[in-house]
Amino acid sequence: ETGVTQTPRHLVMGMTNKKSLKCEQHLGHNAMYWYKQSAKKPLELMFVYNFKEQTENNSVPSRFSPECPNSSHLFLHLHTLQPEDSALYLCASSLSTGNTEAFFGQGTRLTVV
Amino acid sequence: GESVGLHLPTLSVQEGDNSIINCAYSNSASDYFIWYKQESGKGPQFIIDIRSNMDKRQGQRVTVLLNKTVKHLSLQIAATQPGDSAVYFCAENQSSGYALNFGKGTSLLVTP
Repeated sequence: ETGVTQTPRHLVMGMTNKKSLKCEQHLGHNAMYWYKQSAKKPLELMFVYNFKEQTENNSVPSRFSPECPNSSHLFLHLHTLQPEDSALYLCASSLSTGNTEAFFGQGTRLTVV
Repeated sequence: GESVGLHLPTLSVQEGDNSIINCAYSNSASDYFIWYKQESGKGPQFIIDIRSNMDKRQGQRVTVLLNKTVKHLSLQIAATQPGDSAVYFCAENQSSGYALNFGKGTSLLVTP
């Protein structure tokens, strides 16, 4: 266990549904991240939060909406997704942004039907 | 844009042999490098990291080598075991960067 917990582990949703992914860490880290992992592609950075402030939005479509209420929790709100959004969504945290190790959760396997 | 890439998508080695996984990067400003291991159904797990002021770092059965001249990074695993079978990712960052930038991954298969 890395200390980063993601729920749910698996999610199937229709294109008209609204759902949320949750990530939680109690490592005392100040930075949290969402990455998307699709088959045959590198991990793609989606969002970065540092001290609850969003510092990076890597050209992610607005149907993905992040929320960081505090340094320990990170959400990814999903609405009107497309089948090509099906992927493993990974949350990570680190002590700070920059040159430091990131700890990953187990991921949420999302399938959009 | 800048990218981190891997030379080989798959690597098959016999149990007990040494494994070498290679990675090339293109951003000359990168000054922090890290290797992750990802087993099926799990998130990436930290293996070892290295900063640009070093060219070699050793851990338990693993060694990372950094050649800044040719922008090349390698992970060496000694006496590879079946439990080492996984996908290995290299990643890089800069001191001014926001997050790790990942390569595509190499699948390591250890055969008995």
